[in-house]
Amino acid sequence: AQSVAQPEDQVNVAEGNPLTVKCTYSVSGNPYLFWYVQYPNRGLQFLLKYITGDNLVKGSYGFEAEFNKSQTSFHLKKPSALVSDSALYFCAVRDGKAAGNKLTFGGGTRVLVKP
Amino acid sequence: GAVVSQHPSRVICKSGTSVKIECRSLDFQATTMFWYRQFPKKSLMLMATSNEGSKATYEQGVEKDKFLINHASLTLSTLTVTSAHPEDSSFYICSATDRFNSPLHFGNGTRLTVT
Repeated sequence: AQSVAQPEDQVNVAEGNPLTVKCTYSVSGNPYLFWYVQYPNRGLQFLLKYITGDNLVKGSYGFEAEFNKSQTSFHLKKPSALVSDSALYFCAVRDGKAAGNKLTFGGGTRVLVKP
Repeated sequence: GAVVSQHPSRVICKSGTSVKIECRSLDFQATTMFWYRQFPKKSLMLMATSNEGSKATYEQGVEKDKFLINHASLTLSTLTVTSAHPEDSSFYICSATDRFNSPLHFGNGTRLTVT
């Protein structure tokens, strides 16, 4: 079984300040981790992924995430948030040992960046 | 980048009628497509996984006779909501992947309203 938790329903941050969106996961095998962003009435856009390799992953739009195996976390970060980063963010996990490409999504975190 | 086109973006139908939603991969061959349902301010719920040329695999609790999925080619999957009822009103999103471990590419979603 695989699961993802995003403990914060909403994160508020002032423009220019660092942004962090938290994610913890649970899988029985190797975790394949993803972050997606969703704008209103749109599908999801891929931001970044961790499969293997460096724990710090850099993605689109200046976002990065750090894989922490001991804490089973994969928090999303951006050093300086923009108002345009306001959106709904989803963390997702897949068990690397499982067949297929089925992802399990977290509940989502709404990010509001205020000018 | 990989593009997934979903059509229509919005549809309103009367209770008892059927609605077909199309999901096309425009510049890659989608070996697997996924159909999700998203409730307001909620995460994505996987409904089914479809592989080209074979029957879809439905998640527990999803009625396969109500939500008909066809994946007849490597670039097209369709979801038909049969005998729609108001409780079927939701945001439906498809996603596709061309190979194992690659990120999913999402369509822009279809907002279905059943009156």
